[in-house]
Amino acid sequence: DAGVTQSPTHLIKTRGQHVTLRCSPISGHKSVSWYQQVLGQGPQFIFQYYEKEERGRGNFPDRFSARQFPNYSSELNVNALLLGDSALYLCASSRPDRGTDTQYFGPGTRLTVL
Amino acid sequence: SQELEQSPQSLIVQEGKNLTINCTSSKTLYGLYWYKQKYGEGLIFLMMLQKGGEEKSHEKITAKLDEKKQQSSLHITASQPSHAGIYLCGADGDSSASKIIFGSGTRLSIRP
Repeated sequence: DAGVTQSPTHLIKTRGQHVTLRCSPISGHKSVSWYQQVLGQGPQFIFQYYEKEERGRGNFPDRFSARQFPNYSSELNVNALLLGDSALYLCASSRPDRGTDTQYFGPGTRLTVL
Repeated sequence: SQELEQSPQSLIVQEGKNLTINCTSSKTLYGLYWYKQKYGEGLIFLMMLQKGGEEKSHEKITAKLDEKKQQSSLHITASQPSHAGIYLCGADGDSSASKIIFGSGTRLSIRP
């Protein structure tokens, strides 16, 4: 089975632009979580979606939004990009309905804001 | 809010030597995860611990959760170049969401 996939791999944007990142979970996983990892730090939780509903939100501004589609894939949108948004964006999928909530991560999207 | 502190922040070990990485939580741990990350890449799941005193092993890596469930250690035996990377501990941060709170990581380098 394929693991979590993310696209694009790398992205370069300028300040003020908008970006959309995509994630496809492991087959059968209904939960997708998004994390931001700034260089030298651990990942920070942004959002979780389960069965197409937002289940959790981290301490990020409203410029960050996400959604989950009927096939459980997800998009993370960031508006009005700032230099500080430059980071590795990680997507993770899990199956909380199975009683275990281990999250499996994708390879990430490296976003550079100039 | 819960915080995880990892030590050491970085480690250089001679190939073949053993090493230990520690993760200390500011609150009781109800689920503790260990992940490995190659530089700039995604996280690879290693192990999850839930019960106080629990110990799990995979190949040459062993992780333990202490009885009081506020500290975990990751031990690598006879280190190899393939063990190099960043090791991250994470804790279940919210019972209502799939949210992991991560430590800042330990960067491990293996010297041939």
